[in-house]
Order: sequence, then structure tokens, then C-alpha cells
Amino acid sequence: SYELTQPPSVSVSPGQTARITCSGDALPKQYTYWYQQKPGQAPVLVIYKDTEKPSGIPERFSGSSSGTTVTLTISGVQAEDEADYYCQSADSSTTSVLFGGGTKLTVL
Amino acid sequence: QVQLVQSGAEVKKPGASVKVSCKTSGYTFTGYYIHWVRQAPGQGLEWMGWVNPTSGGTNYAQKFQGRVTMTRDTSMSTAYMELSRLRSDDTAVYYCAREGPSLFDCWGQGTLVTVSS
Repeated sequence: SYELTQPPSVSVSPGQTARITCSGDALPKQYTYWYQQKPGQAPVLVIYKDTEKPSGIPERFSGSSSGTTVTLTISGVQAEDEADYYCQSADSSTTSVLFGGGTKLTVL
Repeated sequence: QVQLVQSGAEVKKPGASVKVSCKTSGYTFTGYYIHWVRQAPGQGLEWMGWVNPTSGGTNYAQKFQGRVTMTRDTSMSTAYMELSRLRSDDTAVYYCAREGPSLFDCWGQGTLVTVSS
């Protein structure tokens, strides 16, 4: 079955750039969405349709896409960005929604 | 403002059923699908399915077909998710989420369901 693959963890120092990838064979044909989840809280949408940003999300968050890999980039990481990040897309063959396994971002 | 407020935590025995509610406000209930997503302790997000508030139509993840029922009450602007034949590995936080123009743009606070004998 179709899967979305994320690295389990990414670590960066404050002020550096964090890049979190999400890979999947169908990603060139489907939009990808990114969610931030802090401990004990519900997920929050940070990027939609590969590159769009909801209102209220800081400028340092951005999304990009290249082939079968999409990337969430956080420029100038701050301590408050430490969280789990999940990519999400769709499996059109089964009309299902898929989540990646999640990436824990640690701010050193 | 858009809000999704879920029912409180539940403790169930194996084999029982649980029904979680998701009361919405701040928008037209029938205008947006409601999805259900769960998260086992220390694990990632798992999509369960959606309900169309207008028609009542549903689409369930294959893993849950036969055990899950998603319904809605338009008069109460509330969606429901019922999971039957509970097992210990169904212990999780269950979330409802609205499918807006940018997909899951608003989430409920989550409902912890604990399955234990």
C-alpha cells in the first residue's frame, strides 16, 4: 500500500534552518499538507497545498515540492518550534487520507 | 470563530463500543466534511474516515471498515464516531477535524479512549 516516509527526527540549533522531508510515489499528483503538533495538543495546520500558508503561521515556515519529495522548511528556528511535524496527502486509488509517520524536531 | 468541541474521556472494557461526539460552531455545519483521526500513545496520526454532514455519506479507512460508524445530527451541528468491538490497541486520543478549503483547518481538542479490562 502507498506510504509517506518522513525522517523520525531532525535536530537544529536556534536560528538555523530546519528541513523536514516527506517522500511518496504519488506526491507529484497530490497536494501535501503539513501539521505541527506539540505535546498534549491537537495538530495545527502550518502548510497546505504544498506551499501555501494559513493566516497566523509565521513567515519562517515554508513548503516546497520536487518530484516525489516535499519539504517543510523552518528558517531561523525558534525554541517554540520544537514539536512533531506530520505530512499528509491522499491516496486517490483508495480515496483515503494518509499521514507520514511524523518527525520530531528538536531545537538544541 | 470556528470551534470543534469533543466529548470527554472514556474508559471501556475490551469488546465494548464507544461513541465520541464532536460539536461544531462558528460555521455552517453542512458546508464541510468532518474527518476522524486517532493517535495511539506515543504514536503518529492515523486517519479513520469522514462523514458528509449534508448527505450523511461516509468513507472509512479499510482498517476500520465493519467496526466504525460515523454519523451526524444536523440539528445539533454535531458529528459522531462510534467504534465497536474495542481492543486494547484502540486506546488512543481520537480527534475530529473539519475539512476546509485548506484541508484539516480546525481540529477538536481530542478525546482519550482507554480500553482496559
